[in-house]
Amino acid sequence: DGGITQSPKYLFRKEGQNVTLSCEQNLNHDAMYWYRQDPGQGLRLIYYSQIVNDFQKGDIAEGYSVSREKKESFPLTVTSAQKNPTAFYLCASSISGPYNEQFFGPGTRLTVL
Amino acid sequence: KQEVTQIPAALSVPEGENLVLNCSFTDSAIYNLQWFRQDPGKGLTSLLLIQSSQREQTSGRLNASLDKSSGRSTLYIAASQPGDSATYLCAVKTANTGNQFYFGTGTSLTVIP
Repeated sequence: DGGITQSPKYLFRKEGQNVTLSCEQNLNHDAMYWYRQDPGQGLRLIYYSQIVNDFQKGDIAEGYSVSREKKESFPLTVTSAQKNPTAFYLCASSISGPYNEQFFGPGTRLTVL
Repeated sequence: KQEVTQIPAALSVPEGENLVLNCSFTDSAIYNLQWFRQDPGKGLTSLLLIQSSQREQTSGRLNASLDKSSGRSTLYIAASQPGDSATYLCAVKTANTGNQFYFGTGTSLTVIP
């Protein structure tokens, strides 16, 4: 089945720790995205990548880092510099180009203890 | 920067009613507009994609319209069912901001049996 997988579904982190969220897609999409969702707010873009080994910051990139070594994979690291990391994180992908729709994974809920 | 607004924030209707969800955006230079459905704790499911050159798209009981000049889109749901209960989000991809999508905060729909 084609789709986007995210793991883990739930993640707990102690303050001061870095954690990495996984996102894998087998849709052969060039573009991949990471969003953060908080209650009462729309999705906010953290990082996006249009091609392997290249990525751009979104509106709220501070405290996060990404890599894009393979077309299928776009992991997100939440660093200790992120002041309020508790949120629902969503990964998405699309065919490159301006007119193409976006598809989403099931999400990872991160809680800082 | 593109601002996307969805009104109302919440809507409750009896089963069988037809209903309209609204989405407005500030920058009319868009590539496309996409409507999504989100169930609690889940990822986003794509419902309809309208390209900037199109006026509407239909899928089953759903019809989405786009009026770029006024910065508005509507999602019409015919003969609502309890299974339609979810949060509905719209997102626009704007010509002036590369490959970024901007999301509204969503409308939470409850269909009462």
